[in-house]
Amino acid sequence: SQQGEEDPQALSIQEGENATMNCSYKTSINNLQWYRQNSGRGLVHLILIRSNEREKHSGRLRVTLDTSKKSSSLLITASRAADTASYFCATDATGTASKLTFGTGTRLQVTL
Amino acid sequence: GAVVSQHPSRVICKSGTSVKIECRSLDFQATTMFWYRQFPKKSLMLMATSNEGSKATYEQGVEKDKFLINHASLTLSTLTVTSAHPEDSSFYICSARQVAKNIQYFGAGTRLSVL
Repeated sequence: SQQGEEDPQALSIQEGENATMNCSYKTSINNLQWYRQNSGRGLVHLILIRSNEREKHSGRLRVTLDTSKKSSSLLITASRAADTASYFCATDATGTASKLTFGTGTRLQVTL
Repeated sequence: GAVVSQHPSRVICKSGTSVKIECRSLDFQATTMFWYRQFPKKSLMLMATSNEGSKATYEQGVEKDKFLINHASLTLSTLTVTSAHPEDSSFYICSARQVAKNIQYFGAGTRLSVL
């Protein structure tokens, strides 16, 4: 399977803490994207990082990419209860006509 | 972000019937749309790539006669689950690719329950 792995599978933190999720993948990529999914809903695009980029920020989100290790991390700073969701990384592998391969996901629970 | 509408959000049907799910990109044209299936607490598995004006490309193991895909316009793709069986019960999600940003925008999903 070409599916990426994410860890941890589940993460429970208190509001105000930071949450870090990691993603590993197997192939060469054009870019890596992070998505968020609330239970029973569709996916919301969070951020895209290209293969020639190492770090990207968007609001409280910080994404890093290490192509030599084929890994990425998503950091959510100062988490809020509304951040509770599942987070997926998705890779756009080279030569796959922009198909995305999703990781296994991290379920984040932020408690008050 | 761009808006992708998926309808219906939930459908319950009897075994043997066919169910059609629509996916529309509301504010951009999409030559390419994707259909995914998601099992409870699992990741998304790509079923097929829907290409406007041509045949869909199915992933290995996905029966094209079972899951019919039509992409008749730049804003609409449909997935028809034919002769549905209980094992087809799942959460189906579509996405539309916005070429300019190379981002897939997702619909809200359709929960299919086959009795």
